Amino acid sequence: DAGVIQSPRHEVTEMGQEVTLRCKPISGHNSLFWYRQTMMRGLELLIYFNNNVPIDDSGMPEDRFSAKMPNASFSTLKIQPSEPRDSAVYFCASSLLGVDNEQFFGPGTRLTVL
Amino acid sequence: KQEVTQIPAALSVPEGENLVLNCSFTDSAIYNLQWFRQDPGKGLTSLLLIQSSQREQTSGRLNASLDKSSGRSTLYIAASQPGDSATYLCALMNFGNEKLTFGTGTRLTIIP
Repeated sequence: DAGVIQSPRHEVTEMGQEVTLRCKPISGHNSLFWYRQTMMRGLELLIYFNNNVPIDDSGMPEDRFSAKMPNASFSTLKIQPSEPRDSAVYFCASSLLGVDNEQFFGPGTRLTVL
Repeated sequence: KQEVTQIPAALSVPEGENLVLNCSFTDSAIYNLQWFRQDPGKGLTSLLLIQSSQREQTSGRLNASLDKSSGRSTLYIAASQPGDSATYLCALMNFGNEKLTFGTGTRLTIIP
């Protein structure tokens, strides 16, 4: 299995631009998670889906952030408009709910907003 | 609210030594606990998963234990190697949801 796939690996953009991060979970997994990691706040859960349905989005910072999961093999995290304080590494993870719930992480997308 | 603490924040030991990393948590109603390692600029690699009903898990030179009553987990690394240098994170899942609460991590350096 290729593991969790994220794209792009690096993104540099200017303040005010729209940013879209992409994630392909491990095949067969039914839960998907978006995390953000910064030096100041560590790892924070933004949102998670189960069977493509958003379950908990309480970690989404504000309305500028949105996430979708149109099917079992694809999810996006969108920031519009982006701000310098959004600069962080964004991780996607997936798991199989109801088995052991072990989460497997992708390599992350390093976002820099200038 | 679950709070997870990892002390020390950084640890350096000579190659070949056995070592223990600590993880403390405040809410013992956990579903499972995971230990991860993170190399600089990389993602998280799952090392071990302990279910609530288990006391320990082993994988190679790694052994993780769980004591819910005291709110503690330890990760034991035997015969440390320079390749073990990384940041180690523990993360807990409570009953009722799938959210992981992460500790702040311990940055481990193995000195050749």
